[in-house]
Formats: sequence, structure tokens, C-alpha cells
Amino acid sequence: AQKITQTQPGMFVQEKEAVTLDCTYDTSDPSYGLFWYKQPSSGEMIFLIYQGSYDQQNATEGRYSLNFQKARKSANLVISASQLGDSAMYFCAIDNNAGNMLTFGGGTRLMVKP
Amino acid sequence: DGGITQSPKYLFRKEGQNVTLSCEQNLNHDAMYWYRQDPGQGLRLIYYSQIVNDFQKGDIAEGYSVSREKKESFPLTVTSAQKNPTAFYLCASSFGGRSNYGYTFGSGTRLTVV
Repeated sequence: AQKITQTQPGMFVQEKEAVTLDCTYDTSDPSYGLFWYKQPSSGEMIFLIYQGSYDQQNATEGRYSLNFQKARKSANLVISASQLGDSAMYFCAIDNNAGNMLTFGGGTRLMVKP
Repeated sequence: DGGITQSPKYLFRKEGQNVTLSCEQNLNHDAMYWYRQDPGQGLRLIYYSQIVNDFQKGDIAEGYSVSREKKESFPLTVTSAQKNPTAFYLCASSFGGRSNYGYTFGSGTRLTVV
């Protein structure tokens, strides 16, 4: 079974600064995918970034990048140049070997200060 | 536009009543999922379906039932056997198997027991 741990329940960051949200995972599957989602107060889940377990390079999508350290089983999300609209809950998730089941962590609430 | 539609947005249930949450997608996705989210928590998988007329229990299936008679539709019934149904319910879909984009989520239904 997969498990995701997000140890930061809440974080503050100053607008325009970078912030790192931590995610560690546990899985026995040889192949897996790691995902980050953003959930604003409205409730919808917005896909941010994906990292495959065999990808050699860290994934990047605009201001989002994933610091993937496979040996440490960590997949931290880095948001550069934070904006007020980045204030939301952020969830890390992992899929299983078949890629047909996502397991989510408990989330981190990010608050961007003006 | 393609997407997932959940209805209603808010739902109130009396003790002992069954209620059904609707989830419809026009993305031609094969797989559909139901997640439950409690305040300040991550998402937990209730049921999922990979193909029509087939579905599997997730981690917290007790007190819930589903059907998958059409590819586009995956309704969730919260039965009276679910002792603590007040939560935010999210439906999701995917092509099945691993996707770089993970799942597409609906906007959720907030269920409250009164």
C-alpha cells in the first residue's frame, strides 16, 4: 500500500518569495507517479505537476518545480515568486504500479502574506 | 467544454435517510472515483470503477454504495449505515492507467446531516 506524509500543516510565505512544501512517500511498487494538487477555498482540486519514478530530471511547470529525491523517498514542491493567489491547500499524491489509484497526503495550508 | 459535473453543490440529509450524489463526465474517461474529504484533512478513497458495470471498494466503503451503468455516470449513495456522513465529496475521472495529469476532479458536493 502507498502512503504519503506531509509534515507541515500550515506555512506562511512572503509574497514574491519562494517556498518549499514537503512530501515523503512510502511504496513497494517499482513504478509510480507523484502528483501535486492545489485546492483553493472553493474546493476544486487543481493539478499542478507530475513526476514519474523513472524520470531522470525534476519536473517543472511554470513557477512550480518538484525536488525529487528517490533515495530519500521525497517529492517536495517548490513554488517560486509566490503570489497572493497561491494561498490554498496543497496535496501530494502517489499512484500505484498500475496507475489506477491515487493516495493523498493530509495536505499543507499555504498562506501568502502581502 | 469537457469536464466533470457534480450535483448538488450542497446537500442536507436527515438522520436515517439515504441520499445520492451525482457525478457525470463528458471526457470519455474510462475510470471514475469517489473521494471523501473531512475538514482540514486529505482525500480518502470510497469507491472506484475502471469500466462500466464494474467497481471496487476503496479504503472507506462502508456505508456507501455506487453503480456504473453508463461510462459517463458514477453516482454515489450515502446510506443510513454511514454513521458520520457530513463531509465534502469529490468525484474524479481518468483514462485509466498512469497519466501525467493524474485525475480530473469535479467541484464537489458538501453533505451535511441535520
